[in-house]
Amino acid sequence: GAVVSQHPSWVICKSGTSVKIECRSLDFQATTMFWYRQFPKQSLMLMATSNEGSKATYEQGVEKDKFLINHASLTLSTLTVTSAHPEDSSFYICSARDNIGQGDTGELFFGEGSRLTVL
Amino acid sequence: GQNIDQPTEMTATEGAIVQINCTYQTSGFNGLFWYQQHAGEAPTFLSYNVLDGLEEKGRFSSFLSRSKGYSYLLLKELQMKDSASYLCAATDSNYQLIWGAGTKLIIKP
Repeated sequence: GAVVSQHPSWVICKSGTSVKIECRSLDFQATTMFWYRQFPKQSLMLMATSNEGSKATYEQGVEKDKFLINHASLTLSTLTVTSAHPEDSSFYICSARDNIGQGDTGELFFGEGSRLTVL
Repeated sequence: GQNIDQPTEMTATEGAIVQINCTYQTSGFNGLFWYQQHAGEAPTFLSYNVLDGLEEKGRFSSFLSRSKGYSYLLLKELQMKDSASYLCAATDSNYQLIWGAGTKLIIKP
């Protein structure tokens, strides 16, 4: 199946700093990528939809100026957590759809996730 | 509105069979996915149903009834490693995924 790589897997940072997480589709192109946040023992929460070449679409309650998303190419989307605070500590997961070719079923391929700890 | 319902938690015994149900209401429908997620890890794909009926894949089977807006995931010969959350997700007319909150499955020896 299609592979999505996410980096870094683990990151620890000081409060007030910014952290960038990368999401790459390794063997397919994706015009759309999705960013999720998951707190312990809770379900996936969609944060935003990343669209190649245009602005991301953010879910209600997600601060677009705090969670900067850039989808510069068909294989790379980045999420930057700006001025991170301890409450931003979470598991961030990206996913992508192989929707360039025919027969898009909507299936998502997930990255491995990035665990952010803000001290 | 769009909605996915699945039980919050289920418990089963090693070696037994368990069925996890999912009901959905979406604007249009283009198939239903089941994903498995172990704690601290990203979800992994289990199955995709777009036509009515049962799809069998080893110990796991998934069923869909479009007329009833209903699906289930059947896990046979349960193993301890099957302890995980199982996420039901339906695709709407725009192929956007609508996620259920997940069912935490606890396997006991």
